[in-house]
Amino acid sequence: LAKTTQPISMDSYEGQEVNITCSHNNIATNDYITWYQQFPSQGPRFIIQGYKTKVTNEVASLFIPADRKSSTLSLPRVSLSDTAVYYCLVGDLMKTSYDKVIFGPGTSLSVIP
Amino acid sequence: DVKVTQSSRYLVKRTGEKVFLECVQDMDHENMFWYRQDPGLGLRLIYFSYDVKMKEKGDIPEGYSVSREKKERFSLILESASTNQTSMYLCASSSGQGLYEQYFGPGTRLTVT
Repeated sequence: LAKTTQPISMDSYEGQEVNITCSHNNIATNDYITWYQQFPSQGPRFIIQGYKTKVTNEVASLFIPADRKSSTLSLPRVSLSDTAVYYCLVGDLMKTSYDKVIFGPGTSLSVIP
Repeated sequence: DVKVTQSSRYLVKRTGEKVFLECVQDMDHENMFWYRQDPGLGLRLIYFSYDVKMKEKGDIPEGYSVSREKKERFSLILESASTNQTSMYLCASSSGQGLYEQYFGPGTRLTVT
């Protein structure tokens, strides 16, 4: 899997839009970008996945520039319940080798009232 | 809703004990995974299984073994627990390979004294 770099922590006030950027300079042609969310005392939860340009669902948007060397997870109008750790992963959807699955430390988002 | 359940939320064992962590999924997924999560290190893959009786080592298999006798059940075994195996253990399942969406259980916090 391509190595990813993301901020260790971020703070935001309620109601603001939060953008978390992930760098993945050595992303391969067949790689997808996936984001997970983990609340305290729970397992991670899949949020969104994309390959290029923009993907949007009911939870978040994912922006991927043309060179795909980075991606940005956007959370609109965050609330206290969005306080969680967010993980960026990059890899091939069809690869059978799992021995490099790396969640990394993620970005700890704290939403302040 | 996909449900992944783990046998215990909290477990305390003594050094040298044999420990079994059980995971069951109800979505007929082919792939199942065991991770451990430690502060500052994110999630690290211990073992995964892509079919009944099949298993593959992940990043950190040393000190662990696994068993998958039925499709819905994946067990993690610590043959002789040690204090450095104190951690949060997370089980996941997926219908695909690579970065296909994984569904996680709530985790088991294991303390080895």
